Amino acid sequence: GAVVSQHPSWVICKSGTSVKIECRSLDFQATTMFWYRQFPKQSLMLMATSNEGSKATYEQGVEKDKFLINHASLTLSTLTVTSAHPEDSSFYICSARVKAEAFFGQGTRLTVV
Amino acid sequence: EDQVTQSPEALRLQEGESSSLNCSYTVSGLRGLFWYRQDPGKGPEFLFTLYSAGEEKEKERLKATLTKKESFLHITAPKPEDSATYLCAVRNTGNQFYFGTGTSLTVIP
Repeated sequence: GAVVSQHPSWVICKSGTSVKIECRSLDFQATTMFWYRQFPKQSLMLMATSNEGSKATYEQGVEKDKFLINHASLTLSTLTVTSAHPEDSSFYICSARVKAEAFFGQGTRLTVV
Repeated sequence: EDQVTQSPEALRLQEGESSSLNCSYTVSGLRGLFWYRQDPGKGPEFLFTLYSAGEEKEKERLKATLTKKESFLHITAPKPEDSATYLCAVRNTGNQFYFGTGTSLTVIP
């Protein structure tokens, strides 16, 4: 299957700082990538759809100014959590689709202290 | 409203004890039902895609089946390394994915 690489796998940051998470498609080009957030024992929640060369589409309730998404190339999308607060602590996962199937990155555990 | 419900929430099995995980769904035009395995602290790993009722797919000790309302993931003679959370998702005609909350499987040696 297609390989999606996410970095870092975990990060701890101080409240008020910003954190950038990278998502790369390693063996294919992805014009669209998806960012999810997952709370313990809960389902994946779609945050936004990242489109190469254009603005991301955010789901209802997701603050676009807080979760900045950039999809500058066909193999890289980034999610920046700006002015992070403890309530932003979560597991963030990116995904890309190849034909009808979705493949996921390894996920990033963000802890804001 | 499109949605996916998985049961049970958690399942403990003895090694070698076969069982099934359930994924019930309602969707406005099914364009695929997906099973994923997720290990703690990792992203979901793709297992199967099923497209139409009656379809079955197998991989090692896992077998996925699909009806018009639900899918089952059958685990035959599980081993401790099969312990993980198994996620089910559906894709609708709008190309949107809906995920269940998963079944946490623990296989005891």
